[in-house]
Amino acid sequence: EVQLLESGGGLVQPGGSVRLSCVASGFTFNNYAMSWVRQAPGKGLEWVSSISGGGGKTYYADSVKGRFTISRDNPKNTFYLQMRSLRAEDTAIYYCAKEQPGIGVARDAFDNWGQGTLVTVSS
Amino acid sequence: DIVMTQSPDSLAVSLGERATINCKSSQSVLYSSNNKNYLAWYQQKPRQPPKLLIYWASTRESGVPDRFSGSGSGTDFTLTISSLQAEDVAVYYCQQYYTTPLTFGPGTKVDIK
Repeated sequence: EVQLLESGGGLVQPGGSVRLSCVASGFTFNNYAMSWVRQAPGKGLEWVSSISGGGGKTYYADSVKGRFTISRDNPKNTFYLQMRSLRAEDTAIYYCAKEQPGIGVARDAFDNWGQGTLVTVSS
Repeated sequence: DIVMTQSPDSLAVSLGERATINCKSSQSVLYSSNNKNYLAWYQQKPRQPPKLLIYWASTRESGVPDRFSGSGSGTDFTLTISSLQAEDVAVYYCQQYYTTPLTFGPGTKVDIK
């Protein structure tokens, strides 16, 4: 059974930093691209970033480019989202999501999602 | 960026009746080399993460009841719930994965009438 478990969320001051983690199990982690998707309170879904199975390709939404960094540690079955220069508008539940099997990254639907971790940016 | 729109914003359907949700993309998400539409549908129930229902516009994910079906091609897509059940109360999102940035529709809330 695929399981994705996020951690690292919490209350952060504007301009601050936080690193989210997502530990995966139940599948061969390094074979799959992984992504972060966020959802502001009461709002819809917004794609944030994706990373290829080997970690060599990364993609970002314009709203986070230059501030967020996605990475992965395949031996640990974990991937990360380093968030810097946080703004109030980054407040959201951050979900990690696994892509379906495919040949690329950010080219398949998300077939498994974690429960999410809430990041609140406020003073 | 590909902009995804959905209609209606919300709908209320009687139990056992059909629910239809429309999704439109600002440009085609049909990839000509493989004739696949890079379009997915997700269901999100309150306080839960999204769940994949349909991918490639019309392929049902394993374990999804067959009352859920997807159709359409190019820029216009539809999610149909053939016979609404109480457990189908949720918000439904379409998403294109044709190109980055990946984009979602704003969601359609489905309730029981």
